[in-house]
Parts: sequence; C-alpha cells; structure tokens
Amino acid sequence: QVTLKESGPALVKPTQTLTLTCTFSGFSLNTYGMRVNWIRQAPGKALEWLARIDWDDDKFYSTSLKTRLTISKDASKNQVVLTMTNMDPVDTARYYCARSGEQIVWAYFDYWGQGTLVTVSS
Amino acid sequence: DIPMTQSPSSLSASVGDRVTITCRAGQTISNYLNWYQQKPGKAPNLLIYAASTLQTGVPSRFSGSGSGTDFTLTITSLQPDDFATYYCQQSYVTPYTFGPGTKVDIK
Repeated sequence: QVTLKESGPALVKPTQTLTLTCTFSGFSLNTYGMRVNWIRQAPGKALEWLARIDWDDDKFYSTSLKTRLTISKDASKNQVVLTMTNMDPVDTARYYCARSGEQIVWAYFDYWGQGTLVTVSS
Repeated sequence: DIPMTQSPSSLSASVGDRVTITCRAGQTISNYLNWYQQKPGKAPNLLIYAASTLQTGVPSRFSGSGSGTDFTLTITSLQPDDFATYYCQQSYVTPYTFGPGTKVDIK
C-alpha cells in the first residue's frame, strides 16, 4: 500500500525558509523509475508543480521558482525534503507530495499525500 | 514552459448528463496528458493518463481522448460523486504544467 504524508510548519514569516518533509511508504526511491514530486495549491487556485526528484538523484524544478527551491532525498528513511527560501505571503498554499514512476514514460501522479497547509504571515 | 488551458472554466450539469471538458496544450505534447479529479479539501485523484488510459479503479463512465495539442475528458452519465473540479496536466516535459481547472457543479 503506497502512502505519502507531508509535514512541516503551518506558519512561516515572510523572508523565512520553509522546509517540508514527505515521508512515504509502499515504494522505494532506490527503485528504478521512482520519483517524488512536490505540487502546491494556493487557496481557490489551480495546482502548481514545484519540483521532482528521481531514484537516481536527478532533480527538476519549476522555472519560476527554481532559484528558491531545493529538493533532496534520504532513500534509507523514505523521505524527500523540499526547501523554499525567502517565503512571501503569495506562497501561502497547501503543499502536496506525489509519486510518479509506476510507468516511467508517462510520469503521472498516481499517489498523493493529504497535503499540508502553509500560511505565510508576519 | 508549456501553457495549458481548459474550457469551460465551470459548468452546471444534472445527474445523468454527458459532460465534456476540453484541454489544450500550448505546443504538441503527443499523448502525455493526464486528468485528475479534485474534491474540496482533498488531494487530486488520477483519472486518466496517457490521454486515454483509465487508471485502475476509475469508473468506465470516464474517458479521455486526443493527441498533439487538443484533448477531451468525457463523463458519459454524470453521477452525484462526480461533482468536483477537473484538471489536465502535461507530463511531456518538465516543468510539468496543469490546466486552470474546470469546476462541475449541480444544475
């Protein structure tokens, strides 16, 4: 059974750095083709893909946010960490992690965490 | 980045109606197009991948078609559980991009 769960602070101040952790089970990031993605959704808005890390440690980022994002993994702990620097109120959103790679070619997100709501406010 | 558009942005329909949602990519993406359903307060749920392949466990009233730049999601007989927001997403190339969503509500 594949599960993912996001954790991190519910409230951060402007200019601070956000660190989110995705803890997963039911698959391994040591397995060929497996990937974990971060996606966010501001209140009432559409989904926005942020970053992806692959089984082989390849990393990919949103064009508009790549200077602020870092994604990393600890495959032994089944965790993926996303950091976002210089947080702003416009970054207030629910942040999801999601798996892809069941069929590596198609790259769809087949399992999602419940998401964690992050509010940026002083 | 590949921009994705959807139409309509919202629609009202009745149980039993046939519903069609359109998604358009800003450049050709072959059939690297996925559809998700999202209900309020919940994570998105994968419905269709590779433009037309139904994800395991998804009811057969959902279907997808298209290739290149133009895609459609069809619900043949809308059920009460289908009132939700639907998103398309291209997985042709990173950065992945989503459409703005189509909200389906009750007429």
